[in-house]
Amino acid sequence: QQPVQSPQAVILREGEDAVINCSSSKALYSVHWYRQKHGEAPVFLMILLKGGEQKGHEKISASFNEKKQQSSLYLTASQLSYSGTYFCGTDRTGANSKLTFGKGITLSVRP
Amino acid sequence: GAVVSQHPSRVICKSGTSVKIECRSLDFQATTMFWYRQFPKKSLMLMATSNEGSKATYEQGVEKDKFLINHASLTLSTLTVTSAHPEDSSFYICSVRAGGSTDTQYFGPGTRLTVL
Repeated sequence: QQPVQSPQAVILREGEDAVINCSSSKALYSVHWYRQKHGEAPVFLMILLKGGEQKGHEKISASFNEKKQQSSLYLTASQLSYSGTYFCGTDRTGANSKLTFGKGITLSVRP
Repeated sequence: GAVVSQHPSRVICKSGTSVKIECRSLDFQATTMFWYRQFPKKSLMLMATSNEGSKATYEQGVEKDKFLINHASLTLSTLTVTSAHPEDSSFYICSVRAGGSTDTQYFGPGTRLTVL
């Protein structure tokens, strides 16, 4: 079942913060976040495993609330390079299984 | 992470012809690879799971006779779009999941197919 991502689109100015969400109606083993630029393949950002963890990489961090089956991606002090479409992919079972991707959120950072 | 290549990056063909797309795992022996297609401004749609040495597992609604998948070695999977039509025009991307359940999928650069 496809995870639901929100909001649908985000427009912000350089230096502003943003939060984007990924929700599932089913129990999840892990959540994977990717960013895709136009015409390119998705690039991996981070993976969160069940157990309710948080991760961070420079100014991008994420959390996974296992009880709510929801993950959030936090972008702080956004840069122009953050523009793109953000997808979450969910894995329900682990064991090298497939990912199901949400519809994606378009994020535009303007000068 | 795994390094994945795809060839060709772009292909234009006439309606009715077949097109083969290669996906290579350059630094990892992949027993499983995944094939996706993506329409403009749309999500990644999983087409099939490619299994080395055995038949691919296709997702519901994907025609296995039209999208032939061969995973002959641990580093190479191919997707052949047979008798291509304009509606098959899309961005096709393969991926490898390298480290099991605690690792993610690493995508190839994708192949842009245009059927005239």
